[in-house]
Amino acid sequence: DTGVSQNPRHKITKRGQNVTFRCDPISEHNRLYWYRQTLGQGPEFLTYFQNEAQLEKSRLLSDRFSAERPKGSFSTLEIQRTEQGDSAMYLCASSFLPNEAFFGQGTRLTVV
Amino acid sequence: AQKITQTQPGMFVQEKEAVTLDCTYDTSDPSYGLFWYKQPSSGEMIFLIYQGSYDQQNATEGRYSLNFQKARKSANLVISASQLGDSAMYFCAMRGNFGNEKLTFGTGTRLTIIP
Repeated sequence: DTGVSQNPRHKITKRGQNVTFRCDPISEHNRLYWYRQTLGQGPEFLTYFQNEAQLEKSRLLSDRFSAERPKGSFSTLEIQRTEQGDSAMYLCASSFLPNEAFFGQGTRLTVV
Repeated sequence: AQKITQTQPGMFVQEKEAVTLDCTYDTSDPSYGLFWYKQPSSGEMIFLIYQGSYDQQNATEGRYSLNFQKARKSANLVISASQLGDSAMYFCAMRGNFGNEKLTFGTGTRLTIIP
C-alpha cells in the first residue's frame, strides 16, 4: 500500500497521559499536514511541514502539542497531559503538487 | 483569511438522480485551489476532484464534476447518476497561494442516497 499510513488507528488513554501518533506520508511527498476533526465538524488545521521544516502552526496547537518530522520523512504528533477535549480524529495528509492532498485513515483518540 | 461555507447540512437524493452540493468560498489570495473530499463512516478522507482558480474549464472526474463560478465564488460539486455507495459526508476545501498552503475545510454536507 503506497498511501498515507497512520498509526495507531485507535487510541484510548487516561486523562493526563501522553500520547504519540505517527504518520508515514506517500513516498517523495515533501509536504505533510496534521488536522484534527471532532464529531460533526470539518477537519481543522494543526500544523504543516515542508520537508523537515515546520512552516506553520495553528493557534489550536497549544503548548501541550508538538509535532516533528525528522529527516523530512515520517512525522509524529505528541499530546502531553491529555484532556477530554483532545478526544478527536487526528488526520495526516501529504502532497507534492499544489493540486493534491491525500489523507491517511486517521487516528481516533479517546481520552477517558 | 480563507473561509469555506457549505450551507446544506444534509441532503436526501433518490438513487440514479444527479445531486449538487453547494460550496462558496472567500479568500484574498489571487491564486488558489478548491478541493472536494468524501468521508464515509469509516472516517477516511477520500479525494474526489480539484479545481485551480486559473483553470479555464470546470474539472471533471468520472461521475464528479465541479461547477466553478469564480465571480460568484462558488465551487459546487455535481454527482451524476448517484449510487448507494455515494452516501457519506462531503467536504469542500480550499488551499491558498505559496506560503498559505494549508487546506481550509467547510462544515460538510451529509448526503444520503435513497434506494
